Amino acid sequence: QVQLVQSGAEVKNPGASVKVSCKTSGYIFLSYGISWVRQAPGQGLEWMGWISTYNGNTNYPQNLQGRVSMTTDTSTSTAYMELTSLRSDDTAIYYCARDLKASGNSPYYFDYWGQGTLLTVSS
Amino acid sequence: DIVMTQSPDSLAVSLGERATINCKSSQSVLYNSNNKNFLAWYQQKPGQPPKLLIYWASTRESGVPDRFSGSGSGTDFTLTISSLQAEDVAVYYCQQFYTTPTFGQGTRLEIK
Repeated sequence: QVQLVQSGAEVKNPGASVKVSCKTSGYIFLSYGISWVRQAPGQGLEWMGWISTYNGNTNYPQNLQGRVSMTTDTSTSTAYMELTSLRSDDTAIYYCARDLKASGNSPYYFDYWGQGTLLTVSS
Repeated sequence: DIVMTQSPDSLAVSLGERATINCKSSQSVLYNSNNKNFLAWYQQKPGQPPKLLIYWASTRESGVPDRFSGSGSGTDFTLTISSLQAEDVAVYYCQQFYTTPTFGQGTRLEIK
């Protein structure tokens, strides 16, 4: 069965960086992209970016460009999301999700999701 | 960015009754070359990640009960639950993927 298993909760100081992993199984990794979506406490969903597992192309929203970086390790079917220069308003649950768009340059919709990783940014 | 606006923000419906959630996009999400609406619907229960219900505006995801249906085209879309069950209590989100993906603000569905 398709599974996306994310790394555990993180607590970071403002200005630090965090790298969240998303290990996938149960499907052909290269056949789907990976998107990342975050959800601040009690708030809605915000798309953070997409990576093509096929060729490494990425697509980030303008408000996160320069702070977010997405990568994959095809040997372990794992995706990574790194966020730098953390601020208190980055406190959120971060989800990876399987994206129906494997290649090209923009994502589609998300049919399987990880369990979420809680990031708390606080001094 | 395309702005997605859902209505209402919250909704209380009796068990067995119909629930209707609306989603309006600030510009059309209909891609003329393939006549597909680049819109999806998700359900999120407390403490869980979102779950895909509908994509291409009206295609039900495998395993989703047929009481869930999606309709609409262009800028106006609707998610309908034909006969509300207790397990349908959740927050529902629409999402466009015509351009940089954006979500609606969510609609909280409760039992009356």
